[in-house]
Amino acid sequence: QQPVQSPQAVILREGEDAVINCSSSKALYSVHWYRQKHGEAPVFLMILLKGGEQKGHEKISASFNEKKQQSSLYLTASQLSYSGTYFCGTVSGTYKYIFGTGTRLKVLA
Amino acid sequence: DADVTQTPRNRITKTGKRIMLECSQTKGHDRMYWYRQDPGLGLRLIYYSFDVKDINKGEISDGYSVSRQAQAKFSLSLESAIPNQTALYFCATSSGRARDKNIQYFGAGTRLSVL
Repeated sequence: QQPVQSPQAVILREGEDAVINCSSSKALYSVHWYRQKHGEAPVFLMILLKGGEQKGHEKISASFNEKKQQSSLYLTASQLSYSGTYFCGTVSGTYKYIFGTGTRLKVLA
Repeated sequence: DADVTQTPRNRITKTGKRIMLECSQTKGHDRMYWYRQDPGLGLRLIYYSFDVKDINKGEISDGYSVSRQAQAKFSLSLESAIPNQTALYFCATSSGRARDKNIQYFGAGTRLSVL
């Protein structure tokens, strides 16, 4: 069962903030976040390894709550370059990898 | 040069044809994966391999086969292509090292159309 992301899509104006959530029905031991621009390959953004630990990348940060089996991605003061589809990813079972359902984000000028 | 290289980048083929998509990597990773992405949909795992002698089915392996020719090479074959296999295919690699364990590094993708 793949992790479910919310919202499915979001439209922002430049400078606005957004939160993308990733929820799993199974225990999460680590979470990865990726961004995929249209027509391109997904690119790794950050890794969350410990419950509650936040990692940052530019103006993008994330949190990971092991107990709730959730991770959230925070985009602050969004820029046009943030547009794309965001995926969470995690290991499922023995080594198999699984991606979340994805969130399409569009930033308008 | 790209660390994960997929060939071809684009391919148009006819129903019933056999086709092979190739992936090679210079990252030194032991783990390799094939994913399929359909428009507006997420990434679904087709096959994965953790070393040359290890091949595992993913979520949607029916109609596909793979070959791990070397640590750096992992090929995906469609034995008899059908139109609903039209999609964007990605190869990815990951390391088993603790620090960046399982982070997926992608090739540029192969856009396949089956007519």
